[in-house]
Amino acid sequence: NAGVTQTPKFQVLKTGQSMTLQCAQDMNHEYMSWYRQDPGMGLRLIHYSVGAGITDQGEVPNGYNVSRSTTEDFPLRLLSAAPSQTSVYFCASSYSTESYEQYFGPGTRLTVT
Amino acid sequence: QKEVEQDPGPLSVPEGAIVSLNCTYSNSAFQYFMWYRQYSRKGPELLMYTYSSGNKEDGRFTAQVDKSSKYISLFIRDSQPSDSATYLCAMSPYNNNDMRFGAGTRLTVKP
Repeated sequence: NAGVTQTPKFQVLKTGQSMTLQCAQDMNHEYMSWYRQDPGMGLRLIHYSVGAGITDQGEVPNGYNVSRSTTEDFPLRLLSAAPSQTSVYFCASSYSTESYEQYFGPGTRLTVT
Repeated sequence: QKEVEQDPGPLSVPEGAIVSLNCTYSNSAFQYFMWYRQYSRKGPELLMYTYSSGNKEDGRFTAQVDKSSKYISLFIRDSQPSDSATYLCAMSPYNNNDMRFGAGTRLTVKP
């Protein structure tokens, strides 16, 4: 099993550009989520999904969109990148919403200039 | 005020020392408590999970929760250089959607 994979590992964007961060898991987990990690702050939940076709907002959803057409994939779209979105982004998955063992991907380091 | 406070360190200890990592929180509804370990440039991995108050032991690691003081701890016995990482506390009242993370404490164990 590859677990949770994320691409790309690194990305530099200019302000106003859009891009999609990819996330995939091969554990047949229903619950998937996106977090951002900033220095001095804990991981913050951006969006989550409890199954294919079902997504909802987390703590910091503004400027991001998600969709979940399959159990395996959960891409995160930045609509119009801003310097405030410079961060490390982690995708995670777990068996269910109540399963606290979340498996995290290796992260995507995004810089917006 | 942050819901979860964690001293960022850095914390440096010699190999074999007992390490104590701590978090405080303000939301009395938190009842699920977790510790994650994050190696440099990697994703977090779950280390310990505790429900409500009490202690839980797993090998060299012990997690303690004191809900009356809103204080949780992670103890590492006989620390090893391979324990060098950032340790994140996390807690939730209900489920993954409501989880809150501490900022992490960076630990270095020197040989």
